[in-house]
Parts: sequence; C-alpha cells; structure tokens
Amino acid sequence: EVQLVESGGGLVQPGRSLKLSCAASGFTFSNYYMAWVRQAPKKGLEWVATISTSGSRTYYPDSVKGRFTISRDNAKSSLYLQMNSLKSEDTATYYCARPRKDYGGSHYFDYWGQGVMVTVSS
Amino acid sequence: DIVLTQSPVLAVSLGQRATISCRASQSVSISSINLMHWYQQKPGQQPKLLIYRASNLASGIPARFSGSGSGTDFTLTIDPVQADDIAAYYCQQSRESPPTFGAGTKLELK
Repeated sequence: EVQLVESGGGLVQPGRSLKLSCAASGFTFSNYYMAWVRQAPKKGLEWVATISTSGSRTYYPDSVKGRFTISRDNAKSSLYLQMNSLKSEDTATYYCARPRKDYGGSHYFDYWGQGVMVTVSS
Repeated sequence: DIVLTQSPVLAVSLGQRATISCRASQSVSISSINLMHWYQQKPGQQPKLLIYRASNLASGIPARFSGSGSGTDFTLTIDPVQADDIAAYYCQQSRESPPTFGAGTKLELK
C-alpha cells in the first residue's frame, strides 16, 4: 500500500524558513517523480513543486520560484520542501503527492499524503 | 496558465444522478487523449484521484463514478449518489505546465 506521511509543519513568522519532509513507503520511491501541492484554508489546490527521479531536475510555479526548494533522498525514500522568505499567502496545508507524467508534459497525482499545516503569521 | 472553471455548489438527492462540469480556457486534449483528471476531497482529508484522462477509473474507485468530455468541456457523473459521496470535487489539467486545478464543486444534499 502506497503511503506518504508529511511532517515539519507549524507556525512561522513572515520572512523565516521552514522545511517539510515526506516519508514514502509501499512503492519503489527512486522510480517516481515526486511533488508538493498546497491548499490554502477554504481554498483550492495549487501545485508547488516537482522533482525528477534522480533529483537533477526540479520544477516550480512562479509563485514560489526562488523561495522554495524541493529535494529528495532516495536512500531514505524521503522528499523535502525547503521554504524560505515565507509570506502570509504561503499559509496552507501542504500535501506530498506522487505525480504521473502525462502526454502534455505536465502530470496528474495518483497518491497524496494526509497533509501538514503551515501557518505564516507574526 | 490554463484556467479551469467549475460551479461552486451542486445540490443533489440521494439515489439520483449528479453531473459536475469543468470548462477549460483552452483545449486540454491532444489527438484523442483528454488530459483532464478528477479528484474527490472529503472534509479534513487529502484529495483522492477518481478519474484520470477524462474517463479512466482510478484503482479502487466504484463504478458509479464516470467521466466524459473532450477539448474544453468535461463532466464527472456520479450515479447513483450515495451519502459517502458528499465531498468537494476538483478537476485538473495536465495538458500544459503548470498543472492547474479548478476551484472545486461542493456536492451537497438537497
């Protein structure tokens, strides 16, 4: 059974940093791209970052590019999201997700973790 | 970015058919491959993949869920609606990066 378990969320002041982790099990982690998707309170879903199987390629939307860094440790079956220069609009539940690459060059997400809450507030 | 538009709320009676729509700002199909996907999210839970590539049922999803559509117009159908189906439903396109989601349709009981 595929399991994705996030950790590392919490309350952080604007401008500070936070690092999220995701522990994966139930599949061969090193064979899959991985991603983060977030959901602001009472809002919709927003893709945040994707990383290739080896970690050599990473992808971000403009809203977080230059502030967030996705990484992975295949030996530990773990995914990470380093978030710097946090803003109030980054307040959201962050989900670790397994993307499936699609014909259009983008992807959809076949498994999701339970999510971890990040609150950016002074 | 491709914008996906969904109606915010759909009220339905148990045992009836629910039809949830999603319209894209541009085509999300390549030849006969429709790059639209559907997720279910119950309160306090993570999203769950229901339908991929417009009409393919994800693993473990009951057959009362189905999807259709092409180009810019897509539909998720639940027939018959059961109490366990009360949730928010999101469409998502993978035609282009960034992958984008609709704002969601909340399925409510009439």
